[in-house]
Amino acid sequence: QSALTQPASVSGSPGQSITISCTGTSSDVGTYHLVSWYQQHPGKAPKFMIYEETKRPSGVSNRFSGSKSGNTASLTISGLQADDEADYYCCSYAGSGTLVFGGGTKLTVL
Amino acid sequence: EVQLVESGGTLVQPGRSLRLSCAASGFTFGDYAMHWVRQAPGKGLEWVSSISWNSGSMGFAGSVKGRFTISRDNAKNSLHLQMNSLRGEDTALYYCTRSPSYREPNFDYWGQGTLVTVSS
Repeated sequence: QSALTQPASVSGSPGQSITISCTGTSSDVGTYHLVSWYQQHPGKAPKFMIYEETKRPSGVSNRFSGSKSGNTASLTISGLQADDEADYYCCSYAGSGTLVFGGGTKLTVL
Repeated sequence: EVQLVESGGTLVQPGRSLRLSCAASGFTFGDYAMHWVRQAPGKGLEWVSSISWNSGSMGFAGSVKGRFTISRDNAKNSLHLQMNSLRGEDTALYYCTRSPSYREPNFDYWGQGTLVTVSS
């Protein structure tokens, strides 16, 4: 039950697009269409951003989008804004009633 | 308004036990799977445990399996985490969260967390 692999940090300028990857295995990300993404600002609870790889919950900006290819899921943020600066986590079902998070990615808006 | 309010976190010595609770309101508690997710100071999120709507299915992270148990009381809209044989590495902010199904990590609402510190 190893954590999913995310880059420790990514950065981008306002208005640009960035992509955060989340790499798992054929036992989790690669098999189940059950990957979600969370945004967490310092001192705050996580916020639900993407579910089932590509779906956006009501109220989440369409600047946020998800995708998956093989064992790697990705979160893309377009039109970067200052408030997007936060930590981002992916999470996947991993079989046998277990879930696994990624290690987290710190997004810096330059 | 959906609310999840955790309680029970405190300073506890290694090897001792602690029970966390989560009081839910604003939704039909019995319609949702419930989960505990923790975050050690300055670290990332870690899934701890899940329980299905009817307590028929439960799951635990390998790091807590055999030491932690999860339970729920749908009549009282409450979720619990019994933590035994606590270790320093269990020190974390423990969040309560929900999802429509036991297997789905669709955590749409989160509590503010309760802090557990394991230290002598």
